Amino acid sequence: DAGVTQSPTHLIKTRGQQVTLRCSPKSGHDTVSWYQQALGQGPQFIFQYYEEEERQRGNFPDRFSGHQFPNYSSELNVNALLLGDSALYLCASTPFREGVYGYTFGSGTRLTVV
Amino acid sequence: AQKITQTQPGMFVQEKEAVTLDCTYDTSDQSYGLFWYKQPSSGEMIFLIYQGSYDEQNATEGRYSLNFQKARKSANLVISASQLGDSAMYFCAMREALMDSSYKLIFGSGTRLLVRP
Repeated sequence: DAGVTQSPTHLIKTRGQQVTLRCSPKSGHDTVSWYQQALGQGPQFIFQYYEEEERQRGNFPDRFSGHQFPNYSSELNVNALLLGDSALYLCASTPFREGVYGYTFGSGTRLTVV
Repeated sequence: AQKITQTQPGMFVQEKEAVTLDCTYDTSDQSYGLFWYKQPSSGEMIFLIYQGSYDEQNATEGRYSLNFQKARKSANLVISASQLGDSAMYFCAMREALMDSSYKLIFGSGTRLLVRP
């Protein structure tokens, strides 16, 4: 049973560019949350998707947007990249009713902005 | 606002010995939940153990136990009989309610544990 799959694993982008990160949730999971983990810090909640809608959002600017598809997979888009957006981006999937108690994390996408 | 504090940036432990990783938290909620995760170099966060604020006994999961001291607002992770594979980052986290009654996790800054052979 595949867990959470994230792609790509690594990415280098130039300041001002746009990037799309992808997440395939664990089988049976319908809710996807995205977290940003800057170097040397713990992950911070970006937003959560359920039923193809953004349900909740953390303290991140509108440059961060997302999408969830009918198969529950999700994308995270970041526009107008800043150097400070360099981080590990983690996707966590869960059955909606289990919430954080059912989290399965992917291995993340490491984004470097130069 | 809720907060998790991990004051040990790095720890060493000898293989087969026990180690305690510290975590203190701040919340005004009466009902809350505390989590510990392991993050190896591969990046994924691996769930280790959970403690609910109303749980009467300290949580245990195999070699992991949680030393929960409610009055001190601490939830320290104890790893017994350390193994080389325990070398990783360890994060303490707390659930925080979102507006729709679901939760997100807030994390501490982590502790890097290195197990010496």
